[in-house]
Amino acid sequence: AIQLTQSPSSLSASVGDRVTITCRASQGISSALAWYQQKPGKAPKLLIYDASSLESGVPSRFSGSGSGTDFTLTISSLQPEDFATYYCQQFNSYSYTFGQGTKLEIK
Amino acid sequence: QVTLRESGPALVKPTQTLTLTCTFSGFSLSTSGMCVSWIRQPPGKALEWLARIDWDDDKYYSTSLKTRLTISKDTSKNQVVLTMTNMDPVDTATYYCARIRVGGDYTPVAFDIWGQGTMVTVSS
Repeated sequence: AIQLTQSPSSLSASVGDRVTITCRASQGISSALAWYQQKPGKAPKLLIYDASSLESGVPSRFSGSGSGTDFTLTISSLQPEDFATYYCQQFNSYSYTFGQGTKLEIK
Repeated sequence: QVTLRESGPALVKPTQTLTLTCTFSGFSLSTSGMCVSWIRQPPGKALEWLARIDWDDDKYYSTSLKTRLTISKDTSKNQVVLTMTNMDPVDTATYYCARIRVGGDYTPVAFDIWGQGTMVTVSS
């Protein structure tokens, strides 16, 4: 199965900061990658699909890039509601795997 | 408006079989391109994909769990059912169902709508 490794596992940042989370696949997955945001006690929420397509209704401060094995999620200017855990996930091949998550905390 | 809701027992005993139901609205699993998956999340841990069922009744399972999982649908009731056999305490998790968005060629691109999840504890 394709493994997805996110870095960092946790991150402390301040409101207004620019933040980048990376996701590396164990083999090439083209652009078949999505990003999700999860807050405590809630279901994940789709942010980005096809590596760089912004889901409708998601603020434009979120962006995704990459293809092949290396991907990034960038938040251009952190807002208080962005503190959450973020997961990448691949659709290139079964089984569909998720990264281990990146917890974004307030500094 | 698309919604999904999971239901099932909150507590099961080791070795028992778990049956979960996903009841959805706002779309039909008889429509070409529609797919639903199950995903779980142990407390404090990452998400794990379990299974998928498509409008044409194609089914796909996690490689590591495929011997224990069965997914099925009842189109008339707008329901997807997941059974997992031989439950173990390590299967304690919140179980989610989610709709899969597909691209123009029916290639999956995202889990776009999720249910709220149902917590299942495995304990004697």
